[in-house]
Amino acid sequence: GDSVTQMEGPVTLSEEAFLTINCTYTATGYPSLFWYVQYPGEGLQLLLKATKADDKGSNKGFEATYRKETTSFHLEKGSVQVSDSAVYFCALGSNDYKLSFGAGTTVTVRA
Amino acid sequence: ETGVTQTPRHLVMGMTNKKSLKCEQHLGHNAMYWYKQSAKKPLELMFVYSLEERVENNSVPSRFSPECPNSSHLFLHLHTLQPEDSALYLCASSQDLPGGKEEKLFFGSGTQLSVL
Repeated sequence: GDSVTQMEGPVTLSEEAFLTINCTYTATGYPSLFWYVQYPGEGLQLLLKATKADDKGSNKGFEATYRKETTSFHLEKGSVQVSDSAVYFCALGSNDYKLSFGAGTTVTVRA
Repeated sequence: ETGVTQTPRHLVMGMTNKKSLKCEQHLGHNAMYWYKQSAKKPLELMFVYSLEERVENNSVPSRFSPECPNSSHLFLHLHTLQPEDSALYLCASSQDLPGGKEEKLFFGSGTQLSVL
């Protein structure tokens, strides 16, 4: 079935460092791809999405490009802040209503 | 505030207890979901409701029993749970189905459940 695999954490960075979280997917058809973020003590929030190949989703300085040739949707941010400390989930939306999530990557940014 | 409220935030229960988790959405959405979040595992979709009708039961044990009395409220009734059921239970909603490919999901903060 459709699924995503994302980089295991935890990831610890210093402020202003470059962040990459890898995500690859397996799917039939043409899925949509998402990154959700979960801040401490909160539920998940949609961070960005891309609905077709070569689309780039971006929000709050984060970017991810839908790469069909490598079946990937890696999340990047050029300069992280302490407030970016959270758990990041890659997700795949199939043609039905199911949203398949990865296991989450915990990111901690130190001042 | 995402418009999805879950209570209680924390729950500790014994294996013989009966308890219920409550979810309420104030967004006028038609679809609601229960997810289970366990450490280092992908989020597991448990139940999906659309317009108060269950459209998905993802092989969830019968000790979990959902109820959707109206489009704004969703319950998860718990009975005779096991310690491995300890997890964060997340409720979510979306305007309509499909709640994945096209629709953004709005999540509550979750109920952290510990089964002793």
